[in-house]
Amino acid sequence: KNEVEQSPQNLTAQEGEFITINCSYSVGISALHWLQQHPGGGIVSLFMLSSGKKKHGRLIATINIQEKHSSLHITASHPRDSAVYICAVVVPYSGGGADGLTFGKGTHLIIQP
Amino acid sequence: DAMVIQNPRYQVTQFGKPVTLSCSQTLNHNVMYWYQQKSSQAPKLLFHYYDKDFNNEADTPDNFQSRRPNTSFCFLDIRSPGLGDAAMYLCATSTGRPLYYNNEQFFGPGTRLTVL
Repeated sequence: KNEVEQSPQNLTAQEGEFITINCSYSVGISALHWLQQHPGGGIVSLFMLSSGKKKHGRLIATINIQEKHSSLHITASHPRDSAVYICAVVVPYSGGGADGLTFGKGTHLIIQP
Repeated sequence: DAMVIQNPRYQVTQFGKPVTLSCSQTLNHNVMYWYQQKSSQAPKLLFHYYDKDFNNEADTPDNFQSRRPNTSFCFLDIRSPGLGDAAMYLCATSTGRPLYYNNEQFFGPGTRLTVL
């Protein structure tokens, strides 16, 4: 069974700080997602990675397939970045069809002004 | 423009009273997923459709059923909701291309189900 572990579970930081959220998983995957969920809201996909590094604005995501580890970084953090950040891995479906996601428990991020 | 739409956004039902949640998509994606997310927990895959093929997760209770009458719509039916079924239900879609290809999932806003 594939386990997805995120750290930290909770993070409070001051506006402007550099934020790092980590994700590790236990078995081989085909891709990894970083997702954002605001309180009471749906989920927004931030990145999908299968190797290397991706950058969107102030967000950077990296993945090391050999080490089974990924990080999400936020530069110049802002209170509007406050949300739950979820790491999810693409688990090959045994039937050979579509790939479901296995989720981590999320990191609750609060950025204080 | 909304790509994955879920209705209603909030649903209240009574213990044991059947309820249906709706998801529609304008992306023409092959795959539609239903996830359950209980308070302070990670979302959990219930089942998915690959075109018309239904794929149930091994630990999804029989109380949960799904229908996909066409490419655009997928329904989640809870036959006899219990208090433990109160959760956010998330619908997602993907192109469902083979492994190791781009398989990004697009999520709807979710339906929050309350069971009284």
